[in-house]
Amino acid sequence: DGGITQSPKYLFRKEGQNVTLSCEQNLNHDAMYWYRQDPGQGLRLIYYSQIVNDFQKGDIAEGYSVSREKKESFPLTVTSAQKNPTAFYLCASSVTATNEKLFFGSGTQLSVL
Amino acid sequence: AQSVSQHNHHVILSEAASLELGCNYSYGGTVNLFWYVQYPGQHLQLLLKYFSGDPLVKGIKGFEAEFIKSKFSFNLRKPSVQWSDTAEYFCAVNAQGGGNKLTFGTGTQLKVEL
Repeated sequence: DGGITQSPKYLFRKEGQNVTLSCEQNLNHDAMYWYRQDPGQGLRLIYYSQIVNDFQKGDIAEGYSVSREKKESFPLTVTSAQKNPTAFYLCASSVTATNEKLFFGSGTQLSVL
Repeated sequence: AQSVSQHNHHVILSEAASLELGCNYSYGGTVNLFWYVQYPGQHLQLLLKYFSGDPLVKGIKGFEAEFIKSKFSFNLRKPSVQWSDTAEYFCAVNAQGGGNKLTFGTGTQLKVEL
């Protein structure tokens, strides 16, 4: 099956710890995105990548980092600098950066211990 | 920067009732508009989109939306809802030519009762 796989489904972070959320796609899409979803706030763009080895900050990039070394992978690291990391994180992809139909993964719920 | 407002956070309807979910955006330029839907236990998926042309667009499962430029609105409608339409609905916008940086609204949780 083609699609986007996010893991883990649930993740817990201790104070001062960095954690990495995985996002893998086998759709051969060029563009990938990370969104954060908080209750009552909708989805907010953290980072996006239009092509391999390239990525740009979204609206709320502070405290996060990403890499795009492979076309199919776009991991998101939530660093200790992110003071309010508890949220639901969604990864998405699109065929190209100008093709606006997004395909979403099932999400990762991150909580702070 | 663009922003999107969805004023109805929770909507409860009976089956066969008509649906209209409001969506307003703010942006000075030309935009692309979208509605995404998340059914319980499923991924977010595209319901319909507007890029240009006929301001009345039709999507999957009998949904439609009308772009009214003068009102900066893109309301979602369905004449007769079904129990299976229970889901969360998100309006989104991006600036034409601005890449694929979608700005989402806060979402509307729709519950359809039998």
